[in-house]
Amino acid sequence: AQTVTQSQPEMSVQEAETVTLSCTYDTSESDYYLFWYKQPPSRQMILVIRQEAYKQQNATENRFSVNFQKAAKSFSLKISDSQLGDAAMYFCASGGGADGLTFGKGTHLIIQP
Amino acid sequence: GAVVSQHPSWVICKSGTSVKIECRSLDFQATTMFWYRQFPKQSLMLMATSNEGSKATYEQGVEKDKFLINHASLTLSTLTVTSAHPEDSSFYICSARDSGLASTDTQYFGPGTRLTVL
Repeated sequence: AQTVTQSQPEMSVQEAETVTLSCTYDTSESDYYLFWYKQPPSRQMILVIRQEAYKQQNATENRFSVNFQKAAKSFSLKISDSQLGDAAMYFCASGGGADGLTFGKGTHLIIQP
Repeated sequence: GAVVSQHPSWVICKSGTSVKIECRSLDFQATTMFWYRQFPKQSLMLMATSNEGSKATYEQGVEKDKFLINHASLTLSTLTVTSAHPEDSSFYICSARDSGLASTDTQYFGPGTRLTVL
């Protein structure tokens, strides 16, 4: 069984600033993947970034990067130079292989102009 | 690339009727598709895993006789909500795992279907 915990229901950041969204997880799997998905008001799930658990190097995608602490089972998302278009719900998820994903409850990110 | 479509995007039906939702991978083959359910202001909950050519695997608490899943081809999975009731009203989202990129284990999501049962 897997659990994913996002302890920040809502976060607010000024445009152009940096914000970090927290996520912790628990899994009995030895090989797994971690993801951050963005869900704007359209409700389309958009993949932001993914991390293979066996890789020590933190994944980065342009302004998005993660801080993956495997021993602590922590997987936070850092968004640099926040833009108005980043406003959305952000879901942390774990899973992999033939299994579906387990999602956290989400963090509502507000960008202040 | 990696586009997943769902049809319909929105459906309203009367209580007791059945509704079919289609999920298609448009530019890749998907031996595995997943169905999720999302209630308002909540997270996505996995309902079932759909495998091409075999029976679906349902999560605990999901009634397999109520939520019928068929994955007849490598690009199409369907979810049929049988004898729908108001409590089945929800947002249903499918995702597909690219068989050709199975090693990446990335799921691509459809745009979702909003079901309202009157």
